[in-house]
Formats: sequence, structure tokens, C-alpha cells
Amino acid sequence: DQQVKQNSPSLSVQEGRISILNCDYTNSMFDYFLWYKKYPAEGPTFLISISSIKDKNEDGRFTVFLNKSAKHLSLHIVPSQPGDSAVYFCAAGGGKFYFGSGTKLNVKP
Amino acid sequence: DAGITQSPRHKVTETGTPVTLRCHQTENHRYMYWYRQDPGHGLRLIHYSYGVKDTDKGEVSDGYSVSRSKTEDFLLTLESATSSQTSVYFCAISESTGNQPNYGYTFGSGTRLTVV
Repeated sequence: DQQVKQNSPSLSVQEGRISILNCDYTNSMFDYFLWYKKYPAEGPTFLISISSIKDKNEDGRFTVFLNKSAKHLSLHIVPSQPGDSAVYFCAAGGGKFYFGSGTKLNVKP
Repeated sequence: DAGITQSPRHKVTETGTPVTLRCHQTENHRYMYWYRQDPGHGLRLIHYSYGVKDTDKGEVSDGYSVSRSKTEDFLLTLESATSSQTSVYFCAISESTGNQPNYGYTFGSGTRLTVV
């Protein structure tokens, strides 16, 4: 059974608008949460993280929100840019990390 | 860049043959991981290592073995390749904080393996 789920395989947004990517996890013991971005034919690259003691972390256009009671996290990208088009993976754990299946974001010019 | 390379980048092999993939790092990081990426499954952990000769199984370890005889190299072996092992394989490294790995892996560029 997947411990981390991304239920939206794809998302399409207009340039300049907000992109919201969602992720759910099952294990309440997870204490770190990560987002990775992946372009075709490349390895995933680290984007932003949040620890379980926080509910929000912001880095430029990227903000991650954590709702521990709902076991849910989300990544907000504002404003979205065409260069943000990629597959986004969330990961949860502490030490070992479990990854979701990814959401392919397409930002239209 | 973190200095992590995977070889080969692409490989086609026949069912039943053994295959070894190599991950090499120049960062002296303690922790190394092998993941496979498949459509609909994302990244799944195969094996990981927390030091030289110290390895453990991940979520999908059946049919795979690993070895780490040096800090910089982590080898993944498919003992007898099957078509279900056709995938993209990623190696990742992380440094440690005390005895625990720090979060935020750095990934290699991947090896695309096709078993025919």
C-alpha cells in the first residue's frame, strides 16, 4: 500500500495563476516532508521541505502547507511560470522517504 | 552539483541475465539509496545503505541485491533480470546529522533499463 499519495496525475494552469499540488500520507510518525521537481531525462531535484513542527514554509514563489491532523500537504506556486512545467513528487518520512506517484504540471503561456 | 553519477545511462538486456548498475559519489555522504521510477508508482525504494557494508531493504527489494564496499560506490544488481524490472533507476545520496540521515536527497540522472 502506498504511504504517500498524489491523487492528481496532472494539472494544467495558466501562466501567472496559482498552481496547487496536493499530497496525502498515511503514517502519522513521518516528521519531514519534501517536494521534488523532475524534468524529463533528469533526476528529481529538491524544491522545498517542511518539518512536522511547522505548518507552513515559504521560499520565493513556492509555499508548502502541512495539515497534520488531515495528513495532508500542499505545494503552492505563485505566480506559475512556463518553466515550472514538470513532474512534482512529494515525499514523506524521516531518514527513509516514501514518494508519491507524481503530478505533471503544465503551465500554459 | 553534488557529484553523483550513475552508469550506464541506458542499458538493454535479455531476460535471465544478471545486470549491475553503478552509483558513484564524490561527496563522501554516508547514506545512499536506490529507487525505481514507474508510471503510476512514482519512486519506490529498492535498497539503501547507511555506511560501508551496511545495507537494508526497501519497499521493493525482491530480485535485487546491493553492495557497498567503498563509501563512494553503491552497486545495484539484478540477479536474473525480468521484464517487470524494466524501469528507470535512480540513485540518491544524503548526508547525516548525527546518526540520522539529513533530509533532502540529491539524485543522480538515472539509468534507463530495458529487459527484453
